[in-house]
Amino acid sequence: GENVEQHPSTLSVQEGDSAVIKCTYSDSASNYFPWYKQELGKRPQLIIDIRSNVGEKKDQRIAVTLNKTAKHFSLHITETQPEDSAVYFCAAFMDSNYQLIWGAGTKLIIKP
Amino acid sequence: NAGVTQTPKFRVLKTGQSMTLLCAQDMNHEYMYWYRQDPGMGLRLIHYSVGEGTTAKGEVPDGYNVSRLKKQNFLLGLESAAPSQTSVYFCASSYMRQKTEAFFGQGTRLTVV
Repeated sequence: GENVEQHPSTLSVQEGDSAVIKCTYSDSASNYFPWYKQELGKRPQLIIDIRSNVGEKKDQRIAVTLNKTAKHFSLHITETQPEDSAVYFCAAFMDSNYQLIWGAGTKLIIKP
Repeated sequence: NAGVTQTPKFRVLKTGQSMTLLCAQDMNHEYMYWYRQDPGMGLRLIHYSVGEGTTAKGEVPDGYNVSRLKKQNFLLGLESAAPSQTSVYFCASSYMRQKTEAFFGQGTRLTVV
């Protein structure tokens, strides 16, 4: 079936360094790609999203890039801070079954 | 501004018992969803609704039923709980069908013993 693969499952970076999380999707007709952040014990919250007609989108320290040919998209966090520690989920909207398919999540650890 | 509210927050059930989880949203969203979250598996869609009086199956619907009698409420029922249904359940709602921001409830931690 359709799926979204997310890597790495755990990422540890030094405070101030950059973090990159990558996702690949299987349905070439997918056209909406959100990223959610889930802090420990909290609900997932949208941090940034991108649609298939755009290659890159930025919001302060966060950016998302999309490569439709390779069917992958990435989350970039620059100048990481302790409050960036969380689990990050990518997702892709599959036009084949009108459902949002989620990646398994990446636990981001910011080391002081 | 309540957003999406789930009740209860925690519940322990014995195998075979039944229960209903309630989700309420005050944003006038048409679309509502029930997910389960298990370690290392992300979020999996159980059932969803595209409007009052409608429901549809998601990725993992077996063992669950849902109802959307009112636009603002989406109920998830477990008729005969099994240990495999131990999970954290999240309700969410959105303005458009999963192509815009989904707003999540605070989650319900369910343990079936």
